[in-house]
Amino acid sequence: GEDVEQSLFLSVREGDSSVINCTYTDSSSTYLYWYKQEPGAGLQLLTYIFSNMDMKQDQRLTVLLNKKDKHLSLRIADTQTGDSAIYFCAESMGNFGNEKLTFGTGTRLTIIP
Amino acid sequence: DTEVTQTPKHLVMGMTNKKSLKCEQHMGHRAMYWYKQKAKKPPELMFVYSYEKLSINESVPSRFSPECPNSSLLNLHLHALQPEDSALYLCASSQDRLGVGREDTQYFGPGTRLTVL
Repeated sequence: GEDVEQSLFLSVREGDSSVINCTYTDSSSTYLYWYKQEPGAGLQLLTYIFSNMDMKQDQRLTVLLNKKDKHLSLRIADTQTGDSAIYFCAESMGNFGNEKLTFGTGTRLTIIP
Repeated sequence: DTEVTQTPKHLVMGMTNKKSLKCEQHMGHRAMYWYKQKAKKPPELMFVYSYEKLSINESVPSRFSPECPNSSLLNLHLHALQPEDSALYLCASSQDRLGVGREDTQYFGPGTRLTVL
């Protein structure tokens, strides 16, 4: 199966941490990605993790990968109003890098002032 | 520079019109992609070009016709579209599709919002 699932909505108070979760089903995925999409815009790559890693940190972003449970999460520290967007996780499929990305359903992050 | 540009930003067309969407990147990427995204849904892959050759067509109707004139440009020709084809069309590029075991991230353009009347 190639389903990638996410919660549809998340509301967080400004300054708190946001944790966006993703579950996937294909254990052969090589890379897993997080993209951000603001209203009316394209997708902005935030970060990615290789499947043999279990954690990656990049400034306010922390990605955790539990390969056994096929669970990926994105933590945004000190959430700001500019973080309001839809966040998509995506997994790469196939033997030739990422010519096919399967996206999750997307999580709409809302920041409460 | 990780920029992918797309024109036009918005397009309104009738069902009998012929129009084209354009995508350009100057990152030296050799793989380029078209995606379709309906409102509140994730992007869905339509086509992949690798080294200017069509490598994946996800069973897209023939009223959508992709073209890759050179390694920097990707077009999507539209003809006889239906109202249900209205969506955001996203272009992406990546270094190449032969990157086995190494990172080959896709970078997306801002999209063309298409409305078919």
